[in-house]
Amino acid sequence: GAVVSQHPSRVICKSGTSVKIECRSLDFQATTMFWYRQFPKQSLMLMATSNEGSKATYEQGVEKDKFLINHASLTLSTLTVTSAHPEDSSFYICSARDVAGVSGELFFGEGSRLTVL
Amino acid sequence: AQSVTQPDIHITVSEGASLELRCNYSYGATPYLFWYVQSPGQGLQLLLKYFSGDTLVQGIKGFEAEFKRSQSSFNLRKPSVHWSDAAEYFCAVASRGYNKLIFGAGTRLAVHP
Repeated sequence: GAVVSQHPSRVICKSGTSVKIECRSLDFQATTMFWYRQFPKQSLMLMATSNEGSKATYEQGVEKDKFLINHASLTLSTLTVTSAHPEDSSFYICSARDVAGVSGELFFGEGSRLTVL
Repeated sequence: AQSVTQPDIHITVSEGASLELRCNYSYGATPYLFWYVQSPGQGLQLLLKYFSGDTLVQGIKGFEAEFKRSQSSFNLRKPSVHWSDAAEYFCAVASRGYNKLIFGAGTRLAVHP
C-alpha cells in the first residue's frame, strides 16, 4: 500500500521554541493532507485540512497562528507548532489521500510525539 | 453533526476466543465507515472499510465488520483472537464527500494467554 512518512518521530523541545513536523507521501501525490492530534489514551482529533497550493482549513477551536500548516508540494505538508508550551505536548498524526487510487483511501503516517519541557 | 460512539473503552479476551467491538454512528445518510488499529506509539493501519454493496466486509488479519443500517452500527468481529491483536481499535466515519474522518474514542483490546 501507499506510504506516508512523518519526521521526526519524536521531538523534545524547550518551552517557547518552535517545532516543525513533516508529512510526506512517498509513492503517491496528495492534494489534500490531514493533521490530527491525539492525547494519551484518547482518540484522534482533526486539527486541520492541508490543501496543496492554498491555505489550510482549520477545525473549530484550533489556533491557526499557533499551528502553522504549509502544503508546498503534492508530496509534502508541514505542521509548525509555534512558541510551544507543555500543553502542546501530544502525538501528532498526518494522513494523506491518494487521489489517483480507486477508493481515495486515506493513509496515515507513523505519528510524531512532541514533548515540550 | 457526524459522531461515532464506541461504547467499550477497554475489553479483555482470552487468546483463541471470539471478539466483537461495537461501533455506532450518527449521520444523516449512509456514510463511509472504517476500522483502524493502532499499536502503542504507532500510526494507524486500516483494517477494513465499507463504502457500499455487501454489508459484511472482510478485512486484513482475519477481521470482518457488518454494516447494519437499521441499528446505525458497524461492529468489528474476529472469530479467534491472537495475542498480537492487542492494540487500540478505532471506528471512524466519513461523509460521502469524504472530506474528513471522524473517529470514535477507541477501544483498547487486551489479550490474555
